[in-house]
Amino acid sequence: GAVVSQHPSWVICKSGTSVKIECRSLDFQATTMFWYRQFPKQSLMLMATSNEGSKATYEQGVEKDKFLINHASLTLSTLTVTSAHPEDSSFYICSARVGYRDTNVLTFGAGSRLTVL
Amino acid sequence: RKEVEQDPGPFNVPEGATVAFNCTYSNSASQSFFWYRQDCRKEPKLLMSVYSSGNEDGRFTAQLNRASQYISLLIRDSKLSDSATYLCVVNAQAGTALIFGKGTTLSVSS
Repeated sequence: GAVVSQHPSWVICKSGTSVKIECRSLDFQATTMFWYRQFPKQSLMLMATSNEGSKATYEQGVEKDKFLINHASLTLSTLTVTSAHPEDSSFYICSARVGYRDTNVLTFGAGSRLTVL
Repeated sequence: RKEVEQDPGPFNVPEGATVAFNCTYSNSASQSFFWYRQDCRKEPKLLMSVYSSGNEDGRFTAQLNRASQYISLLIRDSKLSDSATYLCVVNAQAGTALIFGKGTTLSVSS
């Protein structure tokens, strides 16, 4: 089946540094990628939707200048947390739509656990 | 009102028990409905889709009541391996992002 490879699976960084998370679709083309964030004991919250070759659409309350999303190719989307702070510590998960525009099938990456000291 | 609401639990049941989870959603125009399972510190994985006519997959039965905007999941003959968080998930429109509930935690003990 369709697989999304997400890297790194966990990262610890100092406050003020930037962290890049990559999601690659293996064996399929991901025209759309969704980025979620999950705090402990909370639900997955959609941060942004990225479409290949265009600017990402951010959900209300998500700072686009802090969470930079790039979806330059059909198999790679990246999320960069710029100037990370402890409150950015969370579980970040990407998901890709498999198939055509109107499909509901999403496959998820394994997630990246970010800890900002 | 949150878009998808679930009882967070935890539900602590013995092996072999039957347990039911409920979920309500606020967007009456929602089109697709799912139950996902999430293990601790892992990504969510699709358990089953939910159809208006109700559907069953082995020990798992899902039901949807569009009029009440209510979704349920029934697990029969619980196994230790069923211990996880069960996420109620709704999709407003094909091709858009999934909206997740907070999840209901199930703990099955021997």
